[in-house]
Amino acid sequence: QKEVEQNSGPLSVPEGAIASLNCTYSDRGSQSFFWYRQYSGKSPELIMSIYSNGDKEDGRFTAQLNKASQYVSLLIRDSQPSDSATYLCAADSGGYQKVTFGTGTKLQVIP
Amino acid sequence: DAGVTQSPTHLIKTRGQHVTLRCSPISGHKSVSWYQQVLGQGPQFIFQYYEKEERGRGNFPDRFSARQFPNYSSELNVNALLLGDSALYLCASNNPGQGPFSGNTIYFGEGSWLTVV
Repeated sequence: QKEVEQNSGPLSVPEGAIASLNCTYSDRGSQSFFWYRQYSGKSPELIMSIYSNGDKEDGRFTAQLNKASQYVSLLIRDSQPSDSATYLCAADSGGYQKVTFGTGTKLQVIP
Repeated sequence: DAGVTQSPTHLIKTRGQHVTLRCSPISGHKSVSWYQQVLGQGPQFIFQYYEKEERGRGNFPDRFSARQFPNYSSELNVNALLLGDSALYLCASNNPGQGPFSGNTIYFGEGSWLTVV
């Protein structure tokens, strides 16, 4: 069973702080990794994708990938109350398109 | 450009009934996938279609079926509805032809909220 594991949270951080979200995956064959943000009652929205070891930055967001440790993380700098949402980690499980999702981490940014 | 569009957005069905959910992919995308998301869980893969052929199937019973049309839109059908089928059903599209990695990036529609009573 190919799995993606996340801490369900909630993770509470004060406004302006760095939020660190973590994820591990079991399938060593996974090559593509994604972070989605999901507001309550809404569908998931793609934030970041990462394919290579190391860091990838986009605005306040940085995705980090370590394939040797099978570990993916998302850093959110200068956290805002509007960042409060559930963050889903996902891994491409191979084939044309079979993306496996974790259960998500709920982030609360406290004003 | 329009994103992935799904219909209906909300619906209520009775146990034993069947439901049809519809999805139109992003223009130019030839692959459509369906996911089920139960409250508090991540999306679970149901089906993937590419060029009108089934390319992947998740661990769902035969009550679930889908198809893709020549214009790449898709339908998800669920028969003999159970209370446990109540969930957000998400359609996602991508275009595998874009490349070995970027083509696997999937984009979700707004979803169809199904309540079975």
